[in-house]
Amino acid sequence: NAGVTQTPKFQVLKTGQSMTLQCAQDMNHNSMYWYRQDPGMGLRLIYYSASEGTTDKGEVPNGYNVSRLNKREFSLRLESAAPSQTSVYFCASSPQGAGINQPQHFGDGTRLSIL
Amino acid sequence: EDKVVQSPLSLVVHEGDTVTLNCSYEVTNFRSLLWYKQEKKAPTFLFMLTSSGIEKKSGRLSSILDKKELFSILNITATQTGDSAVYLCALRTGTASKLTFGTGTRLQVTL
Repeated sequence: NAGVTQTPKFQVLKTGQSMTLQCAQDMNHNSMYWYRQDPGMGLRLIYYSASEGTTDKGEVPNGYNVSRLNKREFSLRLESAAPSQTSVYFCASSPQGAGINQPQHFGDGTRLSIL
Repeated sequence: EDKVVQSPLSLVVHEGDTVTLNCSYEVTNFRSLLWYKQEKKAPTFLFMLTSSGIEKKSGRLSSILDKKELFSILNITATQTGDSAVYLCALRTGTASKLTFGTGTRLQVTL
């Protein structure tokens, strides 16, 4: 009963280092999303993938790249980490298609600190 | 730009009290409004509302949407300490089903 699995759970980086956050879902969902959550800001969409083979920018994409590796997996990459990217990162997935209106399901998050 | 505003930002109540959390919004291409509960980790889904005036209910929690006045409320009756959490309101818009979140209401239920 895994749902959405994110790895790692915690990570500390130095400014300028690169890192990839991994996300996998086992619910056969078409759409996947990456959010960041900062104090007082709610969750903000970084990138999303409406279906396998497509990716699009969300509200705060600068400094990030994504890869939809297959239907199950959606990774988020920080090429050159900056202190402003210190945050909690959540991956989510949902079914997608004509007539489908279903909630997103979230992973437990990755707490990332950049020094 | 889509906008979701939740109030109050935080709330402290005694166990057994009834609370009402508010969510107002300005969005284009509305599809649905969702409520999530977030304790320490992942937001967990509570309700999805698409039509005005139809109450969704689950145990002590209920929610309703007013699409004319552009707001929703989440009610929790007979609160318990386990209800302590951040409650998030989100609007689902467009064909890609993106979510725009409010900043959340932090609820603390004390004995």
